[in-house]
Amino acid sequence: DIQMTQSPSSLSASVGDRVTITCRASQGISNSLAWHQQKPGKVPKLLIYAASTLQSGVPSRFSGSGSGTDFTLTITSLQPEDVATYYCQKYNSAPYTFGQGTKLEIK
Amino acid sequence: EVQLLESGGGLVQPGGSLRLSCAASGFTFSSYAMSWVRQAPGKGLEWVSAMSISGGSTYYADSVKGRFTISRDNSKNTLWLQMNSLRAEDTAVYYCAKRSSGSYMSYFDYWGQGTLVTVSS
Repeated sequence: DIQMTQSPSSLSASVGDRVTITCRASQGISNSLAWHQQKPGKVPKLLIYAASTLQSGVPSRFSGSGSGTDFTLTITSLQPEDVATYYCQKYNSAPYTFGQGTKLEIK
Repeated sequence: EVQLLESGGGLVQPGGSLRLSCAASGFTFSSYAMSWVRQAPGKGLEWVSAMSISGGSTYYADSVKGRFTISRDNSKNTLWLQMNSLRAEDTAVYYCAKRSSGSYMSYFDYWGQGTLVTVSS
């Protein structure tokens, strides 16, 4: 099975900072990669699919890139409401594995 | 508006069984693949099971294979997860998730509120 590895596991940044989270697949998955955001105590929410397509309603400060095995989620100007844990997920085929998550906090 | 409402969670003893339900509304249920995802307390997301639009194809994580069964009734807009031989490590919030299409290669675009399953004596 393909493993999904995120880095870092946790991250602290200041408001207005540019933040980058990476996700690596153990085998190529083309662009079948989604990013989900889970705010504390809340339900996960889809942010990005097809590696770089923003889900409707998601602020434009979020962006995704990558293909194959290496992917990136970028927040261009961190806002207080972005405090959350971010998960990547492959969906090209079962098992639909998630990364272990990256917990993002405000410094 | 897409709505997914899980129910059926609760406290169950090790070795016991539980059946989770997910009532769907706001979309044509029969046109979308569906999945279950769980999250143990303080842990990350773990994909559990998936089902095709017709129910003819099912998929399971190795951790639940042989113990859990996913099913759906498109006439009732409902997805189920039958969980048998439950273990302490199955304790988690279980989420129902809608897929973006009927394809096996579709992303998870909506999540339910979740239902808590606690396996303990």
